[in-house]
Amino acid sequence: AQSVTQPDIHITVSEGASLELRCNYSYGATPYLFWYVQSPGQGLQLLLKYFSGDTLVQGIKGFEAEFKRSQSSFNLRKPSVHWSDAAEYFCAVGDRYGGSQGNLIFGKGTKLSVKP
Amino acid sequence: NAGVMQNPRHLVRRRGQEARLRCSPMKGHSHVYWYRQLPEEGLKFMVYLQKENIIDESGMPKERFSAEFPKEGPSILRIQQVVRGDSAAYFCASAKSRGNEKLFFGSGTQLSVL
Repeated sequence: AQSVTQPDIHITVSEGASLELRCNYSYGATPYLFWYVQSPGQGLQLLLKYFSGDTLVQGIKGFEAEFKRSQSSFNLRKPSVHWSDAAEYFCAVGDRYGGSQGNLIFGKGTKLSVKP
Repeated sequence: NAGVMQNPRHLVRRRGQEARLRCSPMKGHSHVYWYRQLPEEGLKFMVYLQKENIIDESGMPKERFSAEFPKEGPSILRIQQVVRGDSAAYFCASAKSRGNEKLFFGSGTQLSVL
């Protein structure tokens, strides 16, 4: 079955520290991979996406993610966290070839708290 | 260019009432997706519509839920005879073309059923 697993429900890091949020997926075909961020009371904002090519992708707000096919992982990283990064982060997978299903499968999210 | 607009932001209904959630996609977008987010959960796909057509409703509950995207006007997600378990955040996303590469999400409607 297709699924996305985000093992960490809640992570707390100190401001200025590095961050890595884990994401593992199970998908039959070659997937599209996404990371979204959701601030309280807001919709989802796309941070970055991977379709093909370079397995290290750069996104907005200084985030990056690396696609590792052998590990079925797409972990999100940031070298130095800012207090404004506190939010909930969702990893998602989609069907590369769409077909009639342009929908995404989301993980349950990781809530990030940032200590001063 | 305004983003995806959802209204209302918050909707309170009593059990047995009807809930209507509206979504106006971004200008030029003719593809709309509805997702539901239950507490402590990720978003779950419900339905995918293109103007006047339901393309994929595999995530939609079989009863009480319906969706439309008329030629003119916003997409509507309708929940009849709401129950407490329908309380959730409902998000709409739009795209210019088929596929999911460029989905833009609205801020959601928080439905609370008393």
